[in-house]
Amino acid sequence: DTAVSQTPKYLVTQMGNDKSIKCEQNLGHDTMYWYKQDSKKFLKIMFSYNNKELIINETVPNRFSPKSPDKAHLNLHINSLELGDSAVYFCASSPRGAGTQETQYFGPGTRLLVL
Amino acid sequence: DQQVKQNSPSLSVQEGRISILNCDYTNSMFDYFLWYKKYPAEGPTFLISISSIKDKNEDGRFTVFLNKSAKHLSLHIVPSQPGDSAVYFCAATTFSWGKLQFGAGTQVVVTP
Repeated sequence: DTAVSQTPKYLVTQMGNDKSIKCEQNLGHDTMYWYKQDSKKFLKIMFSYNNKELIINETVPNRFSPKSPDKAHLNLHINSLELGDSAVYFCASSPRGAGTQETQYFGPGTRLLVL
Repeated sequence: DQQVKQNSPSLSVQEGRISILNCDYTNSMFDYFLWYKKYPAEGPTFLISISSIKDKNEDGRFTVFLNKSAKHLSLHIVPSQPGDSAVYFCAATTFSWGKLQFGAGTQVVVTP
């Protein structure tokens, strides 16, 4: 009974393609996040949504577009994939988000390889 | 601009001994700190946290110490077990931020 799940786990695609990664949490949390772990292993925030509303939008190319159909889901769509997009993408959730001191819970990650 | 730094990329420790992982930060606004553990091909798993109003927090074999004046925190694992072999990430945030700033991680290997 996975708390934060992501699909697919692995994604291999060609440069220029468009792809989506899906994330779902069954924890009843209000806030969800996307993080990117690059080749240097740093985990960096990309986006955050609170109750379907975009809260955090870091300096990310606008080829990346998050979509939150409801507060349990946060999907990441990437247009015109580039070699530099190859990374591991982690979804996370937390009970409320900014304005609290709370733990974020992470999904298993999606390993994206752009050829 | 890396505001959270873990300067030791790796640590090897014998089973039963103490593991000490260090983390330094530069942003004095950080008020909540977390440690995550990560196995290969899995997501980070929350381990322990500490608020800036405290200087120590314990949970079983894991203790986190915070030295605000030095902008330094450490994670102690006593005793270390083979299952503790993983990458440990230090993370920090502020009350208003809502996002975590991570260090680069420390790979811990516990040898029998």
